[in-house]
Amino acid sequence: DTGVSQNPRHKITKRGQNVTFRCDPISEHNRLYWYRQTLGQGPEFLTYFQNEAQLEKSRLLSDRFSAERPKGSFSTLEIQRTEQGDSAMYLCASSRTDRDYTFGSGTRLTVV
Amino acid sequence: SQQGEEDPQALSIQEGENATMNCSYKTSINNLQWYRQNSGRGLVHLILIRSNEREKHSGRLRVTLDTSKKSSSLLITASRAADTASYFCATDATGANNLFFGTGTRLTVIP
Repeated sequence: DTGVSQNPRHKITKRGQNVTFRCDPISEHNRLYWYRQTLGQGPEFLTYFQNEAQLEKSRLLSDRFSAERPKGSFSTLEIQRTEQGDSAMYLCASSRTDRDYTFGSGTRLTVV
Repeated sequence: SQQGEEDPQALSIQEGENATMNCSYKTSINNLQWYRQNSGRGLVHLILIRSNEREKHSGRLRVTLDTSKKSSSLLITASRAADTASYFCATDATGANNLFFGTGTRLTVIP
C-alpha cells in the first residue's frame, strides 16, 4: 500500500448528471478527508471521516453532495445534478493522526 | 473562506537563487505544514512545524514560525528548475479536524 489512490483521475460529465468518485486511503489510516480545489486556489475542506463515521461537513458540502465510508476503508463522494460550478479538482487525504496527512492525486471534474 | 494567505502569489527566480514564501494565518494552531503541488497533481507534504517550534530544516528547506505574528515562511535554497510548482501552507487549527490551506505561491525557477 504505497499511498492514497483516487479514481477516476479525470471525469467529464454533462450538467445535470450524477458523478461518483472513489478514494482508497492508506490501509492503517483511520481518518479520511475530502477537499475541493478550484483553479488558482488552495484546497478547501469538504468533509472528514474517522473510521466509518462522518464527523464533520463543511458548509461547502451542499445537499447535492454526499460522502460515505461504509466499512471504514474506502470512501465515495457523489455529486448529484452536477452544475458547472462543481468543476474542480477533488482531493482525498488520509491520516493516522492530526499530522501525517497523505494526499491522493485527485479527480479532476469538468462539467460541460 | 480559507484560513491563510500567501505572499507573493507568484515568484519567478533564476536557478541557483533562493526563494522565500510567506504565509499568514488567523487562528491558534497546533502545527503548520507546507505542501508542494505540481500543475494538475496532488499535494506532496514537505515539512511540518509545531506551534512550539520556531525554525525547522529539511534538506534545502527552511521553515520559520512566528505564532505572535501568526506567520510562517518557507525558504528554498539553491533552487532548481524541478522546484517549479505551487507551494501551500496549511494550518492544523486548535480544535479543528482538518487542515486549512492558504492561497498558494506559484514558484517558477528559470534554468
